[in-house]
Amino acid sequence: TQLLEQSPQFLSIQEGENLTVYCNSSSVFSSLQWYRQEPGEGPVLLVTVVTGGEVKKLKRLTFQFGDARKDSSLHITAAQPGDTGLYLCAGARKTGANNLFFGTGTRLTVIP
Amino acid sequence: ETGVTQTPRHLVMGMTNKKSLKCEQHLGHNAMYWYKQSAKKPLELMFVYSLEERVENNSVPSRFSPECPNSSHLFLHLHTLQPEDSALYLCASSRQIETEAFFGQGTRLTVV
Repeated sequence: TQLLEQSPQFLSIQEGENLTVYCNSSSVFSSLQWYRQEPGEGPVLLVTVVTGGEVKKLKRLTFQFGDARKDSSLHITAAQPGDTGLYLCAGARKTGANNLFFGTGTRLTVIP
Repeated sequence: ETGVTQTPRHLVMGMTNKKSLKCEQHLGHNAMYWYKQSAKKPLELMFVYSLEERVENNSVPSRFSPECPNSSHLFLHLHTLQPEDSALYLCASSRQIETEAFFGQGTRLTVV
C-alpha cells in the first residue's frame, strides 16, 4: 500500500511553461517535504511545510500544504531545463519508527 | 556537498562476492537510514538507526546486513546478492527520526 501518491508520474514540457505536481494521501502528516533528485545523485531537500494551508516560495517554485495536512502541491512558473529531475514528496508522522513516507515521484523533463 | 558521503559511488559484484557500502555524515544527526531505489519504484526504506540502535528493519532479506558503529557511520554489508538487488542504495541522516532527511549521492550497485 502506497501512502503517498504523486501525479502526474511523468511530465514533459517546453521551457517557459508552467506546471503543477500533486502529492495526495488519505493520512494526516505533521509535516511534508519536497525533494528533487537528479540522475545519479541522491534527493536534495527543497522545502518543508508544517502548517495546514501553508504556502512557501522558493524562486519560481511555490509549495502548498493542504488545509487538512493530507496533501500538497508544487507549482513551477516558467520552467527551465535546470528544473529537470525527479520530484519526491515525503510526509512525516510522529508514530512508529518508520516516520518518513516517500511518494511515488514525478519525473519532470523540461525541453529547451 | 550534502554533508552525507557514500562510498563507493559505483559497485559491480558477483553473486558470490561479499562487499560493504559505507556512509558517513558530518551533520551531527542522530538518525541514519538505508534506502533502496530501483527503476520505476518508489524509495524503499530498508533500515533505520537512531542513536546507533536499529529501530526498523523493513522486512529486508538477511543477505543485507547493516552496521552502525557510531552516530556518524553506517555500513551495509552485502553477501550472496541476486541480480534483482541491483539498484541505487541511498544513505540518509536526520536530526531526529521524523525530521528532514539529508541524502548522500548513493551507490549504484550492479549484481552480475
